[in-house]
Amino acid sequence: IAGITQAPTSQILAAGRRMTLRCTQDMRHNAMYWYRQDLGLGLRLIHYSNTAGTTGKGEVPDGYSVSRANTDDFPLTLASAVPSQTSVYFCASSEVAGVSNEQFFGPGTRLTVL
Amino acid sequence: GQNIDQPTEMTATEGAIVQINCTYQTSGFNGLFWYQQHAGEAPTFLSYNVLDGLEEKGRFSSFLSRSKGYSYLLLKELQMKDSASYLCASMDSNYQLIWGAGTKLIIKP
Repeated sequence: IAGITQAPTSQILAAGRRMTLRCTQDMRHNAMYWYRQDLGLGLRLIHYSNTAGTTGKGEVPDGYSVSRANTDDFPLTLASAVPSQTSVYFCASSEVAGVSNEQFFGPGTRLTVL
Repeated sequence: GQNIDQPTEMTATEGAIVQINCTYQTSGFNGLFWYQQHAGEAPTFLSYNVLDGLEEKGRFSSFLSRSKGYSYLLLKELQMKDSASYLCASMDSNYQLIWGAGTKLIIKP
């Protein structure tokens, strides 16, 4: 099935724990993104990757890290979760970076940090 | 700073027309996107404008005025399934999307 998958769908996590959110796409898109969406705020970019092997920081990168070992996978890691990281996390991809491509979104991961 | 403004919520009647406005201020401009997001789901692409004017796509149209930093999304012949949030996003000089908080559209029968 073409598209983007994310795992887990939802998670409740104790503060201080480490957590990795998984994202996989099968569209062979070069660019991938991680956003968080909070009530009353727009989507905010956490990290991005223009191509496999490269990553960059977005608007709100603190407390998060990413890696892009291959084209398909773009995991997001919270090294030591804090309650302010409670949010819905969306992974997205676009065909190429640096041009005005539409972004395709995964179904999201709802994360609660207690 | 970078800023996207759009109304928080709008209500319209089934079969009617509604216009959702968006004003933007970003560092550079590489186009204006509209996405639809149903509750609990992912955003999905609706339209993209980079030149001034109106782009029509079925029941949905999108307008852009770059000199005014203004866009609107026009939805015609509203259906109950159009109840959703509509997200406006401007692409800045780094080709990153800056998102508005979204407009929740409520359709009444």
